[in-house]
Amino acid sequence: QAVVTQEPSLTVSPGGTVTLTCASSTGTVTSGHYAYWFQQKPGQAPKTLIYDTSTRRSWTPARFSGSLLGGKAALTLSGAQPEDEADYFCLLSYNGVRVFGTGTKVTVL
Amino acid sequence: QLQLQESGPGLVKPSETLSLTCTVSGDSITNHNVHWGWIRQPPGKGLEWIGSIYYSGTTHYSPSLKSRVTISVDTSKNQFFLEMRSVTATDTAVYYCARPNGYWGQGTLVTVSS
Repeated sequence: QAVVTQEPSLTVSPGGTVTLTCASSTGTVTSGHYAYWFQQKPGQAPKTLIYDTSTRRSWTPARFSGSLLGGKAALTLSGAQPEDEADYFCLLSYNGVRVFGTGTKVTVL
Repeated sequence: QLQLQESGPGLVKPSETLSLTCTVSGDSITNHNVHWGWIRQPPGKGLEWIGSIYYSGTTHYSPSLKSRVTISVDTSKNQFFLEMRSVTATDTAVYYCARPNGYWGQGTLVTVSS
């Protein structure tokens, strides 16, 4: 089974930019992995931010964007707000079998 | 607005079967060719994908859980189901149902204990 790895933690200043990445043990992440990004705050269910690599949901602030970067899936947060402090998880599809990333704790400080 | 709601026992004994139901409201499961999934999260840990199903009945499972898990769907009731056999304490987690491209249930805590 593939292993999907994310940065354990990242810190960003208010108004700053941070990029989270999602790497696959099988090699380059492509559009065929249909990467998803989820945000989870303490005590809450995850919320879908991005699917199919770069498609935002209607509720996803424009400051979040998804892409492929350097062989990985990436989530860029531009103009971080205090309310963006949360855990972020990616999800990759391997011919229908999905695997979550290890998660990144983002601190806005 | 699409909503998902998990239901089922909050306590299951070791070696028994965990059974959960996800009820979908606000839209029909058959309206979209998307997968509907089960995900779990042990206390203080990350998310683990269990498996998913399309309304046609096509399923995909996590290789590590495949031997113990069955996911099924009842389109007439707009529900899909999770069955996990031979549970142990390590299966204690919050279980979520979701349509991962947008919608999640609130989650239900299942504790495995005698």
